[in-house]
Amino acid sequence: DTGVSQNPRHKITKRGQNVTFRCDPISEHNRLYWYRQTLGQGPEFLTYFQNEAQLEKSRLLSDRFSAERPKGSFSTLEIQRTEQGDSAMYLCASSPGLQSYEQYFGPGTRLTVT
Amino acid sequence: AQSVTQLDSHVSVSEGTPVLLRCNYSSSYSPSLFWYVQHPNKGLQLLLKYTSAATLVKGINGFEAEFKKSETSFHLTKPSAHMSDAAEYFCVVSNSPLNTNAGKSTFGDGTTLTVKP
Repeated sequence: DTGVSQNPRHKITKRGQNVTFRCDPISEHNRLYWYRQTLGQGPEFLTYFQNEAQLEKSRLLSDRFSAERPKGSFSTLEIQRTEQGDSAMYLCASSPGLQSYEQYFGPGTRLTVT
Repeated sequence: AQSVTQLDSHVSVSEGTPVLLRCNYSSSYSPSLFWYVQHPNKGLQLLLKYTSAATLVKGINGFEAEFKKSETSFHLTKPSAHMSDAAEYFCVVSNSPLNTNAGKSTFGDGTTLTVKP
């Protein structure tokens, strides 16, 4: 399967701990996106990369959140000092690039902060 | 700025009857528009996309959508609902490639489709 993969699929952590999620996009896709989805809502944009460059960050992405895509391939999303309000599904998507913006989504990482 | 409004949070149809899920959008530039489906405990799957070619777009599983610029709408339809169509549907707007924020996508809040036997 050559789709978008995310790890871990589930993460339970205690408030105040740091967590890191990984996303592996479809090979050769230039763009990579992170979203957050809570129950009953549509995905909310967090940030996206064109190759290794982070082009935009949502205001939702507080200082506790950071994302990287160091070599333009996989990406990591880190949340520091987690809060209960961070509990959500974190989705990653990739798209081919400049002329085509359909996004292909991974299965998500479900974060539960206790 | 861009936004999308899904006019119905829930739609219920009987199996074999037509489906209509409504979506209005707002975009400062010529938009790209998409519909995604999310089945329970499954990932988001692309149903169809509009990117300034034909205004009537055909997608997977018999779905289609029509881009109407004058009405700023992109409604999703299917002639005959199947039980397997029951899911959450999301309308999405993205800016055109000419925009500096090209590619950023805004999702609607979703429409839950229920199909009754």
